[in-house]
Amino acid sequence: DTGVSQNPRHKITKRGQNVTFRCDPISEHNRLYWYRQTLGQGPEFLTYFQNEAQLEKSRLLSDRFSAERPKGSFSTLEIQRTEQGDSAMYLCASTGGGTDYGYTFGSGTRLTVV
Amino acid sequence: LAKTTQPISMDSYEGQEVNITCSHNNIATNDYITWYQQFPSQGPRFIIQGYKTKVTNEVASLFIPADRKSSTLSLPRVSLSDTAVYYCLVGDAHNAGNNRKLIWGLGTSLAVNP
Repeated sequence: DTGVSQNPRHKITKRGQNVTFRCDPISEHNRLYWYRQTLGQGPEFLTYFQNEAQLEKSRLLSDRFSAERPKGSFSTLEIQRTEQGDSAMYLCASTGGGTDYGYTFGSGTRLTVV
Repeated sequence: LAKTTQPISMDSYEGQEVNITCSHNNIATNDYITWYQQFPSQGPRFIIQGYKTKVTNEVASLFIPADRKSSTLSLPRVSLSDTAVYYCLVGDAHNAGNNRKLIWGLGTSLAVNP
């Protein structure tokens, strides 16, 4: 297993367009998280899945954002009608159940909305 | 939620030992202390985790005093490649789902100079 994989690494889009990002977590990890990080700030929690169930969404996640994790494997994060304020690094992390605490993060998808 | 406070930035030179202290006055009984490292344009990487006293791995040591209101990440003999942002987080390791509630601060930006 090569860790958490995110695609694409970079995405430039025009304001108003829809974008979709993919995250492939570590295969045996049942928990998957999406975070957003802007320059100079720490990661901000967006949403969390346990297996295929989306258990929590941050208030940061407006109705333009939707995330899925079909079959409890990979996950997608879609942003509709992108705005310039959506420009950020979108990070995916996974972790196992039980007392496993540390996240394993992917390298992120850098979104630039022009 | 336990809030953490750490220096915004630190400077060091190659070969020196670097100690980064994190304050977490409101740490709860079940909370563990975890440190992450983040390079530019990459996701954070787990470094070390501890509950009390001292933990050491191949990368760093973590010192936690008896009152657990602070912790110190110690990086021995740093090199230029240790230049990164270091985050201290506090949370309940026995309920990994609660990790979504972790608050990531600004971290400590460590610059290692030749």
